[in-house]
Amino acid sequence: EDQVTQSPEALRLQEGESSSLNCSYTVSGLRGLFWYRQDPGKGPEFLFTLYSAGEEKEKERLKATLTKKESFLHITAPKPEDSATYLCAVQEKGGSYIPTFGRGTSLIVHP
Amino acid sequence: KAGVTQTPRYLIKTRGQQVTLSCSPISGHRSVSWYQQTPGQGLQFLFEYFSETQRNKGNFPGRFSGRQFSNSRSEMNVSTLELGDSALYLCASSVGDRNEKLFFGSGTQLSVL
Repeated sequence: EDQVTQSPEALRLQEGESSSLNCSYTVSGLRGLFWYRQDPGKGPEFLFTLYSAGEEKEKERLKATLTKKESFLHITAPKPEDSATYLCAVQEKGGSYIPTFGRGTSLIVHP
Repeated sequence: KAGVTQTPRYLIKTRGQQVTLSCSPISGHRSVSWYQQTPGQGLQFLFEYFSETQRNKGNFPGRFSGRQFSNSRSEMNVSTLELGDSALYLCASSVGDRNEKLFFGSGTQLSVL
């Protein structure tokens, strides 16, 4: 069973159509949850770190939230340049500091 | 500040050969991690080095090895290549040892024929 599950696998939106990406995790204790963005042909780029339930972080049109079992990445009024694969990763308390990544959500925003 | 640099960008090898990939982390970063990325499995952790010592190792066969030099530059080696080793190999560096913010290179795309 995967420790980190992201849904949907792929998402197509029209420009301006807000939506949310989901990341659920099954680690027994969460040290930290991370969101990255990956553009084609490039490595992932760090977006946010969340540490505790109820925490929220924002950057431009993106807002990440965290509960005890999942995180959401909300995209408000997306633009075509927001098209990318969004990756979620978790670090487990008491474990190594190696983050475990989900398989990502591929987002395409049409103009 | 220069980002993480990986060389070469693309590699084509045949089964049975070996390959060495290089990674130069951001100046001042002491932790270097390697990941394998494939469409089917996503990002899979290979190993992590901190101050020239391997701190963690993922669940990969012994054909995969790595090292880190005193200037924090790192190399990974794959011997006796198999078709299934075709993947994007990503290197990431971080300032400290807690990997709370990883900086990734653009990767080396390895194709094994």
